[in-house]
Amino acid sequence: GENVEQHPSTLSVQEGDSAVIKCTYSDSASNYFPWYKQELGKGPQLIIDIRSNVGEKKDQRIAVTLNKTAKHFSLHITETQPEDSAVYFCAAGSYQTGANNLFFGTGTRLTVIP
Amino acid sequence: DAGVIQSPRHEVTEMGQEVTLRCKPISGHDYLFWYRQTMMRGLELLIYFNNNVPIDDSGMPEDRFSAKMPNASFSTLKIQPSEPRDSAVYFCASSLTTSGFEQYFGPGTRLTVT
Repeated sequence: GENVEQHPSTLSVQEGDSAVIKCTYSDSASNYFPWYKQELGKGPQLIIDIRSNVGEKKDQRIAVTLNKTAKHFSLHITETQPEDSAVYFCAAGSYQTGANNLFFGTGTRLTVIP
Repeated sequence: DAGVIQSPRHEVTEMGQEVTLRCKPISGHDYLFWYRQTMMRGLELLIYFNNNVPIDDSGMPEDRFSAKMPNASFSTLKIQPSEPRDSAVYFCASSLTTSGFEQYFGPGTRLTVT
């Protein structure tokens, strides 16, 4: 089955700096890569996703890049703000008939220092 | 839309008791997922349904766990008998095939078994 590894496990940045979180996956059949943000006491919230037919996707201060050859993808947050502090999870999945499950990384706790 | 609704939000029970967790997916979604989150194991997929039919229950830890989806708007996860190692946060998520498989999570149920 799919194995997703995520690094780093913790990340502290100064407000205004950029943060980068990296994930690798093992199954070359994976074609969908979402990122989730989880705040304390809440469920994971989908913040951005990318599919295997594109290499990069941006949404305001958040961007995700995908390198299918190397089987890795990354989340980039620019101009970080204190409200970006949370745990971020990457995931990978392959969408085919009858299969719709995601495999999650172990999470990165991001702290933005004011 | 109200999003995915889970109840109860917190459950404290004694070892050996039966526990039932409930989930109402987003209206119209055709996939429903049950996850368990712990510090040690992260986010684990337990089981998922498509159009009320269980598709993959390979993540269910043992026979003490069972899940049902009697209709498109309701699902239950039951643990009988419960054990202290079942203490975790249980999340329900739903997705819609035609919108691209994005999964939307509920707020979770924090289960404590003493």
